[in-house]
Order: sequence, then C-alpha cells, then structure tokens
Amino acid sequence: QKEVEQDPGPLSVPEGAIVSLNCTYSNSAFQYFMWYRQYSRKGPELLMYTYSSGNKEDGRFTAQVDKSSKYISLFIRDSQPSDSATYLCAMKGSTLGRLYFGRGTQLTVWP
Amino acid sequence: GAVVSQHPSRVICKSGTSVKIECRSLDFQATTMFWYRQFPKQSLMLMATSNEGSKATYEQGVEKDKFLINHASLTLSTLTVTSAHPEDSSFYICSARRDSNSYEQYFGPGTRLTVT
Repeated sequence: QKEVEQDPGPLSVPEGAIVSLNCTYSNSAFQYFMWYRQYSRKGPELLMYTYSSGNKEDGRFTAQVDKSSKYISLFIRDSQPSDSATYLCAMKGSTLGRLYFGRGTQLTVWP
Repeated sequence: GAVVSQHPSRVICKSGTSVKIECRSLDFQATTMFWYRQFPKQSLMLMATSNEGSKATYEQGVEKDKFLINHASLTLSTLTVTSAHPEDSSFYICSARRDSNSYEQYFGPGTRLTVT
C-alpha cells in the first residue's frame, strides 16, 4: 500500500465551479500536510500548509485535514482557467522529515 | 522570496554519457537540498537528501554510484547521472530548505533529461 493515495484524474470543470481534491494516507504519524500546485514542466509551488487536523483558508483555497479518517482535502472556490494545473498533496511526520507526495490530480478549468 | 534555479532546464544526451544538473538557491542559503525524480503523471519520488559538506543520504533503491550528488556549498548542489541509459530519462527536480528550523522546501523548475 502506498503511503499517500491521490486520484490522478483528470478533472475538468467549468470556470466558477467549486473544485474538490483529496488524498488519503496510511501513516498515522503524518502531522504536516501540504498542497502544491505544479504547472506543466515546472517545479511544484506550495499552496497550503496545515498542521494536524482542522481547516485553513487562504483566499479561494481551503484545506481540510481529518486525521481520524486519514483524509485531506483542498477546495477551490470560483475556479479560474489559471487554476489549471496538477495539484499534489504531500505530508510528513515531523518538521524536518521527508515529504511523501501523492501522484497529483490534473485539473483543467475551461472558460 | 526564496528562489531555486536549475540548470539546464532540459538536456538530451547519448546513452553511456554522463550528465550534470545544477541546483542553486539564489537568495538564501540552503542547509539541506533534496533531489526528486518524476515520471509522467506520477508522483515526485525522493532520490536523496544532501546536507552541505556531508555525504548525501540516498533513498532505498537509488544507486548512489549512478546518481552522484555533491552539495559543495550552501547555495549549490549537483546531481550527476553517470553512464546514462534511456530508462534514466525523466524529470529531475531539486528543492532546498532554508535552515534547520524551516519546514518549507522551495522547489526548482526541474530538468528534463532525455537519454537517446
């Protein structure tokens, strides 16, 4: 079983839609949860960072962590064509620990 | 900001030759740098972790004699793919961590390696 599972999609939505992306994981030691956005042929950039369970909001983006279910989500409100990218979840057990990535979900937002 | 650059952005080489990829932190000193490999539509797989001035720590299954990592300064790490083969063709991405108390890794733009 992989450490982190993420549906690769692809996911295609119209502009303005609410997008829901999620990951599941198996290691209960994970405490730090991140979402990265990766445009084609570019390196990932950090979007959201959450410690332990709970919600975090930043503009149109909301990250949720449910440690009891080992399930994390990223919601994008009022999606824009510029949001079209691959979204990777990542997590680790300690501040300086190595990151474990999901496969990434390819999102296309069409105008 | 915290900018990480990689050079070259893409390289094509012949089977059997060696290729060096550079990773630089442009506006900060990176105590730790990481090298990842990414296949199409696949996740980033950590290859090795390198700390400035010490030997790199390789992940299980990564051949240290094939993927030579040098972290000679606080702003530069290099990955050399020795005796490259077509199966080494991939997207190689580095990341850098600012200091020992920092959780965030800053990623470079990646290097596309094609071995013919």
